[in-house]
Amino acid sequence: EAGVAQSPRYKIIEKRQSVAFWCNPISGHATLYWYQQILGQGPKLLIQFQNNGVVDDSQLPKDRFSAERLKGVDSTLKIQPAKLEDSAVYLCASSLWASGGDEQFFGPGTRLTVL
Amino acid sequence: KNQVEQSPQSLIILEGKNCTLQCNYTVSPFSNLRWYKQDTGRGPVSLTIMTFSENTKSNGRYTATLDADTKQSSLHITASQLSDSASYICVVLRDDKIIFGKGTRLHILP
Repeated sequence: EAGVAQSPRYKIIEKRQSVAFWCNPISGHATLYWYQQILGQGPKLLIQFQNNGVVDDSQLPKDRFSAERLKGVDSTLKIQPAKLEDSAVYLCASSLWASGGDEQFFGPGTRLTVL
Repeated sequence: KNQVEQSPQSLIILEGKNCTLQCNYTVSPFSNLRWYKQDTGRGPVSLTIMTFSENTKSNGRYTATLDADTKQSSLHITASQLSDSASYICVVLRDDKIIFGKGTRLHILP
């Protein structure tokens, strides 16, 4: 079974530039998550999709971050404009459903460096 | 406030030794608790999942324990190997909210 795919793996941009990340979840997984993981900390949930609908985006900085999951499969996360504090690893995860007992499978992440 | 606290922040042990990582949580109501292993440059991988009614769960050399009364969990690693060097993250689920600890960074020395 193929895992969660993410691209690019690494991205370096200057502040105020825009950047987009892509995630392809495990086939058949209804729920998709985007996390931000700052060095030395645990992942922080940015947004959770159930199929193509948003379940939780309470911690998404909506003035600069946006995400979409068209057709309920792939997803993109965009930052516009980027700030220095956005330097982090952006992890995508998926699970079969959104129930509490469901295991989440994580992708390798995209490491973003904002200069 | 729903929190997950892990200790120690980092740990260095010699290959072959055992170690125990701690997780204390204040999340309520509690759904389940998970331990993840995160290798450098990779996403977290699930090691164990326990509901409030389970006291212990093993996965090879990894054994997780849970005391729902004291809201404490531990992850015990037996006969450590160099490949165990990673961050270990405790995750607690409350209904549909997922709360991550900051992790313990484990270094295994040859």
